[in-house]
Amino acid sequence: TQLLEQSPQFLSIQEGENLTVYCNSSSVFSSLQWYRQEPGEGPVLLVTVVTGGEVKKLKRLTFQFGDARKDSSLHITAAQPGDTGLYLCAGKYSGAGSYQLTFGKGTKLSVIP
Amino acid sequence: SQTIHQWPATLVQPVGSPLSLECTVEGTSNPNLYWYRQAAGRGLQLLFYSVGIGQISSEVPQNLSASRPQDRQFILSSKKLLLSDSGFYLCAWSVLAGDGNEQFFGPGTRLTVL
Repeated sequence: TQLLEQSPQFLSIQEGENLTVYCNSSSVFSSLQWYRQEPGEGPVLLVTVVTGGEVKKLKRLTFQFGDARKDSSLHITAAQPGDTGLYLCAGKYSGAGSYQLTFGKGTKLSVIP
Repeated sequence: SQTIHQWPATLVQPVGSPLSLECTVEGTSNPNLYWYRQAAGRGLQLLFYSVGIGQISSEVPQNLSASRPQDRQFILSSKKLLLSDSGFYLCAWSVLAGDGNEQFFGPGTRLTVL
């Protein structure tokens, strides 16, 4: 069973601070997605990365895919209360069934005004 | 644009009662469909996926079953609910493209078994 580890599990910061959350595996991904989920709602796709070393930006969010495609990070600049939520990474492993995504347990972020 | 619906939004059922959760997708044809369960606001556990009408793959053995009677309809069922079936059930769809498998989620159903 392939595992996808996310860290930290919980993060509470003040508005305006920067933060980084991580997603790691011992196996190689063919692609990786980041989702944000608010309480009582379904996850919403933020980004997909497929190329080792790839960096994508979405406003104040910067996503990076590791060179070896085994890890990824999400950096938020000047966090806002609206960034509060559960951040999930999900990977499609090389060689895995085409329909399968493995999800991490998520990082629960609270941004305090 | 594509939309995905789930109902009911919340459900409280006694142990031993049956279950039927429904998911429908609009704006796309022949999607891959998925049922996940999420416990305590944490990671998602894949329960079933379907690549076409009548085609169901099960990921974990349990007292739940799934059916896909129409192209854009996915149903999660149980004949007798257990306490451990409580959780947040999410339906998702995807259309494979390249190396990605981007999945798009419905609003979820909160199930409480008492």
